[in-house]
Amino acid sequence: QQQVKQSPQSLIVQKGGISIINCAYENTAFDYFPWYQQFPGKGPALLIAIRPDVSEKKEGRFTISFNKSAKQFSLHIMDSQPGDSATYFCAASMRASGTYKYIFGTGTRLKVLA
Amino acid sequence: DVKVTQSSRYLVKRTGEKVFLECVQDMDHENMFWYRQDPGLGLRLIYFSYDVKMKEKGDIPEGYSVSREKKERFSLILESASTNQTSMYLCASTFLQDQPQHFGDGTRLSIL
Repeated sequence: QQQVKQSPQSLIVQKGGISIINCAYENTAFDYFPWYQQFPGKGPALLIAIRPDVSEKKEGRFTISFNKSAKQFSLHIMDSQPGDSATYFCAASMRASGTYKYIFGTGTRLKVLA
Repeated sequence: DVKVTQSSRYLVKRTGEKVFLECVQDMDHENMFWYRQDPGLGLRLIYFSYDVKMKEKGDIPEGYSVSREKKERFSLILESASTNQTSMYLCASTFLQDQPQHFGDGTRLSIL
């Protein structure tokens, strides 16, 4: 019940196209949903995050769509560029036993073709 | 900018050795975390610490221990390394637990 299921595992998109990565969760206690971007040889870095009181958040070419009733959230990368080629992780966190628990998805390896 | 520094990028050790992975953050963060990253499994939490000398088990603590003697430093210890502990290890920190985590660049550990 504390899993976050991420799909697809890998994604190939043409330059200028839209990249879409999806995540689903079961536990309605999750209250913070960040996305991290990881380049080879680097640690994950926060890309964009959302809380369940909004349905969408946009930062530049990156948008999170959040569907509370379906317990799903997704990352959309508009006008995808070769520089966006990286691994993307969704995550969900909630308060549990007096601390916050972070659960990460299994990652999506995105390749944007020039 | 927050900087989380892991002492080694690559490390090769032998089975049965005691292995220390070090992590230092420069932002006076209360909370520090150790994750293990394996292909297809994402990031799995090994241990975290919310204060000096305080620690909590994560999802996969078996075979590991941690030490936090100073606020800025969080060490992961493999008591007796085994080949199934070959992995990428990531350290992270955050000021408040419901805020984004800041990650180091990882230590790729190989146990032979």
